[in-house]
Amino acid sequence: GQNIDQPTEMTATEGAIVQINCTYQTSGFNGLFWYQQHAGEAPTFLSYNVLDGLEEKGRFSSFLSRSKGYSYLLLKELQMKDSASYLCAVRDPNETGGSYIPTFGRGTSLIVHP
Amino acid sequence: DADVTQTPRNRITKTGKRIMLECSQTKGHDRMYWYRQDPGLGLRLIYYSFDVKDINKGEISDGYSVSRQAQAKFSLSLESAIPNQTALYFCATSGTGGANVLTFGAGSRLTVL
Repeated sequence: GQNIDQPTEMTATEGAIVQINCTYQTSGFNGLFWYQQHAGEAPTFLSYNVLDGLEEKGRFSSFLSRSKGYSYLLLKELQMKDSASYLCAVRDPNETGGSYIPTFGRGTSLIVHP
Repeated sequence: DADVTQTPRNRITKTGKRIMLECSQTKGHDRMYWYRQDPGLGLRLIYYSFDVKDINKGEISDGYSVSRQAQAKFSLSLESAIPNQTALYFCATSGTGGANVLTFGAGSRLTVL
């Protein structure tokens, strides 16, 4: 089975930087995803890491260390609209769906206040 | 129009009733999925289909069935709904290359009384 851990909730101030961590324990690894989900809406894709290192995309960056089973999502210049849940998801070739389907963590609810 | 359309968006039903949630996609993808989301539990996979003739159980398939009517259509059925199936249900689709990113529908909120 898989174990994917992320903090349940975080708060931050508009304009600041926040780092959302995700740790995972899997028997295999074939990619890690971050999705954003606003309340009552569909999750939307943010980032994908399959190799170690940092992937930057505008205000959002995602980091992966496969040896440590660790990833983080970094959000810079926070805006009120960034208040949402952030879902970490890991693909494990040894799990349901093989190399193609990620298993999701429980999500981190980020609250951005003025 | 949305890439992935789910109907109904909201449904209230009673214990024992049969319910069907429908999903259609315009992305031309072969792969489709049904997930369930409960507060504090994240997204859990119910069923998935990699093409029209392929149906596979996910981690929580008990009490559910699916039908892949066409490449673009994947429906989820609850044969006899029970209250603990009250949840937000998402359909998703993905391509076959690269990151295989999931594109989700807007969700169907089901309440079983």
